[in-house]
Amino acid sequence: QKEVEQDPGPLSVPEGAIVSLNCTYSNSAFQYFMWYRQYSRKGPELLMYTYSSGNKEDGRFTAQVDKSSKYISLFIRDSQPSDSATYLCAMRQGGSYIPTFGRGTSLIVHP
Amino acid sequence: DVKVTQSSRYLVKRTGEKVFLECVQDMDHENMFWYRQDPGLGLRLIYFSYDVKMKEKGDIPEGYSVSREKKERFSLILESASTNQTSMYLCATGDPYEQYFGPGTRLTVT
Repeated sequence: QKEVEQDPGPLSVPEGAIVSLNCTYSNSAFQYFMWYRQYSRKGPELLMYTYSSGNKEDGRFTAQVDKSSKYISLFIRDSQPSDSATYLCAMRQGGSYIPTFGRGTSLIVHP
Repeated sequence: DVKVTQSSRYLVKRTGEKVFLECVQDMDHENMFWYRQDPGLGLRLIYFSYDVKMKEKGDIPEGYSVSREKKERFSLILESASTNQTSMYLCATGDPYEQYFGPGTRLTVT
């Protein structure tokens, strides 16, 4: 079992839909949780960064962490075609510089 | 804004060649990383460096070496390129915990 599991998709949704992207993990020592967005042929860019459990909102994006279930989510409201990309979750232990990445979920938002 | 640049976007090399991939950052970050990204395998850490002239092996260092002579520059070296090293190579910096990625180098070894 990989430390971080993420469904590769693709996930195809109509414009305006609410998107839910998820990751599960097995290492209970993970404390910091990140979401990256990667457009085709580009490097990943950091979208959201959260510590421990709870929710964090930034515009149309909400990151949610449930440490008891070892489950994290990224919600995208009012999805746009420009949101079409691969979304990578990542997480790390406190004091470590090295995150563990999920393999990414491909999202397609069609007009 | 953090800027991480990589020397080439696309590179084609022959088997057995020595290949240099360069990464330069402009934000004075201590930590720098080299990853490769392959379909179905995700991001895999090759090497990282937390200071000038300091380096640590990642998960897949075999066939690679690195050099960090200056803080802003981190080079990945393929001593003798092989076809199984065809991949997307991504450099990242950390400040120290949040990682910022460069645009990537698509390397093809024929």
